[in-house]
Amino acid sequence: DQQVKQNSPSLSVQEGRISILNCDYTNSMFDYFLWYKKYPAEGPTFLISISSIKDKNEDGRFTVFLNKSAKHLSLHIVPSQPGDSAVYFCAARSTNAGKSTFGDGTTLTVKP
Amino acid sequence: KAGVTQTPRYLIKTRGQQVTLSCSPISGHRSVSWYQQTPGQGLQFLFEYFSETQRNKGNFPGRFSGRQFSNSRSEMNVSTLELGDSALYLCASSLVAGKHEQFFGPGTRLTVL
Repeated sequence: DQQVKQNSPSLSVQEGRISILNCDYTNSMFDYFLWYKKYPAEGPTFLISISSIKDKNEDGRFTVFLNKSAKHLSLHIVPSQPGDSAVYFCAARSTNAGKSTFGDGTTLTVKP
Repeated sequence: KAGVTQTPRYLIKTRGQQVTLSCSPISGHRSVSWYQQTPGQGLQFLFEYFSETQRNKGNFPGRFSGRQFSNSRSEMNVSTLELGDSALYLCASSLVAGKHEQFFGPGTRLTVL
């Protein structure tokens, strides 16, 4: 049973437009959510996170939205840049469990 | 501050052999977690160590084991290697156990022939 799902394996957007990456989860115990970005031959890099007590967190061009009732979160990148092209992983944690559960990732391609 | 380092970066083994991977966390970080990433798969949690104690363990067979030393460095061992163990093994460190944001190393690419 996959507790964190990223249903879109890939996404292609034009430079300057908005990129929206989606993530769904099933475990109600998750109370913290993170997005990581991964380039080839590198480990994932932490991007942005959100606690379950919030519904939005913004950091520069990156905004994460959380809809707890729908068990859904999304990452918005505005405006998208070619350097944003990477694999994006959604991760969820429950404070007591101490481990991160990751989705399978979405490959974002931003075209110049 | 130096990032998380993992050695070796690449490894080729044959079925039945055993392998040990090493991870040095960011200086001052005391929690180390290990993940396995296979092609087309997300990161699968292996285990987490804090203060030389295993705090959490994922759903992997007993062939996968790990340990953490007093300097927070960690090793992961896989015995009786199988073809399906071919993967990228990632180590992540955080300041303390339960700290949400983790910092990943570049990984060790293990190929089992």
